[in-house]
Amino acid sequence: GQNIDQPTEMTATEGAIVQINCTYQTSGFNGLFWYQQHAGEAPTFLSYNVLDGLEEKGRFSSFLSRSKGYSYLLLKELQMKDSASYLCAVQDSNYQLIWGAGTKLIIKP
Amino acid sequence: ETGVTQTPRHLVMGMTNKKSLKCEQHLGHNAMYWYKQSAKKPLELMFVYSLEERVENNSVPSRFSPECPNSSHLFLHLHTLQPEDSALYLCASSKSPQGGAEKLFFGSGTQLSVL
Repeated sequence: GQNIDQPTEMTATEGAIVQINCTYQTSGFNGLFWYQQHAGEAPTFLSYNVLDGLEEKGRFSSFLSRSKGYSYLLLKELQMKDSASYLCAVQDSNYQLIWGAGTKLIIKP
Repeated sequence: ETGVTQTPRHLVMGMTNKKSLKCEQHLGHNAMYWYKQSAKKPLELMFVYSLEERVENNSVPSRFSPECPNSSHLFLHLHTLQPEDSALYLCASSKSPQGGAEKLFFGSGTQLSVL
């Protein structure tokens, strides 16, 4: 079967750096997405990786290793507003999106 | 504001009720989706519409009935639901059905409670 694993919950301190990991086993690979979802709000797109390496976008970066079936989302200079759930999703060979259960990130002052 | 609006935000219904969820997108997209989000579980794709035609139905029980009258509007009609159907129902849209780097734009969802 197809599977996406990410930690259920993480805690970090304001101003620090946190890395949220995502590992996947899917039937083929056509790209990996990260979405952010604040409580009670819509998930919003953060990043897309299809080639190996690091994609940087301001305080957020996303990394992909296709050979290892692994990605991470790196958040720098954490702010209280970064408290949210972070969803990892992989497109399989049929371009179907396979979703992880999400990582709830709690930022403490 | 994502450009996708869902109503109502909250809904409580009995198992014998009939209700409808509404979704509207103002982005000019051609594809629309219904997802179910349960606590601590992955998003579950329920239905996909492309240019108002249903292109995917992921074995959803018949008590859920979608309707797409035009490319901007999507409904989910609910009847004789079960308590396990309680969840957050998310609508999403994209320029075309999922493929390549096509990102989804989500609404804020309808939190449904079935008593």
